[in-house]
Amino acid sequence: AQSVTQLGSHVSVSEGALVLLRCNYSSSVPPYLFWYVQYPNQGLQLLLKYTTGATLVKGINGFEAEFKKSETSFHLTKPSAHMSDAAEYFCAVTSSGGSYIPTFGRGTSLIVHP
Amino acid sequence: DVKVTQSSRYLVKRTGEKVFLECVQDMDHENMFWYRQDPGLGLRLIYFSYDVKMKEKGDIPEGYSVSREKKERFSLILESASTNQTSMYLCASSFDTAQPGNYGYTFGSGTRLTVV
Repeated sequence: AQSVTQLGSHVSVSEGALVLLRCNYSSSVPPYLFWYVQYPNQGLQLLLKYTTGATLVKGINGFEAEFKKSETSFHLTKPSAHMSDAAEYFCAVTSSGGSYIPTFGRGTSLIVHP
Repeated sequence: DVKVTQSSRYLVKRTGEKVFLECVQDMDHENMFWYRQDPGLGLRLIYFSYDVKMKEKGDIPEGYSVSREKKERFSLILESASTNQTSMYLCASSFDTAQPGNYGYTFGSGTRLTVV
């Protein structure tokens, strides 16, 4: 079984501040991990993914995430928030060798203040 | 770029109507999925298909059915729409490989369905 927990349904930052969105997962086998972004009234767009190899993964729009096995975490960060980053962010996990259907977190809404 | 197209962005239907939501992808993906998205509940899987004419129930299939007659098209059917099916519906597709889970999904823009 696999699960995803996103801490905080809403995160508020000022423009230019660090963005940190938290994701913890559980999986009985090595995971594949994803972050998706959803802008208002749109579908989800893949931001970045971790499958194997380097644990620090860079994605689009300046976002990156680090896979930490010991902490079962895959937190999403961006050094400097832009107003255009305001969106809903979803973490998801699938498991190698298991069902390829991902489990999604409930999402974190990022609010960026001027 | 892979494109997943959902035929309608907004739909308003009456209780009891039969509703068809259409989804088409243009990159020869094997796998296709239907989710509904509700505030505070995230994405919930309704049905998925890993091949033409194949379908599997997801977490919340009750009140829904699907059809996949062609590889590129995956339809979601609400047999008799009810107000509790008012939601955002998202279609997605992915490659089928030995480890399909590692490629991620491509999503459509969503259909916001209101049942009155």
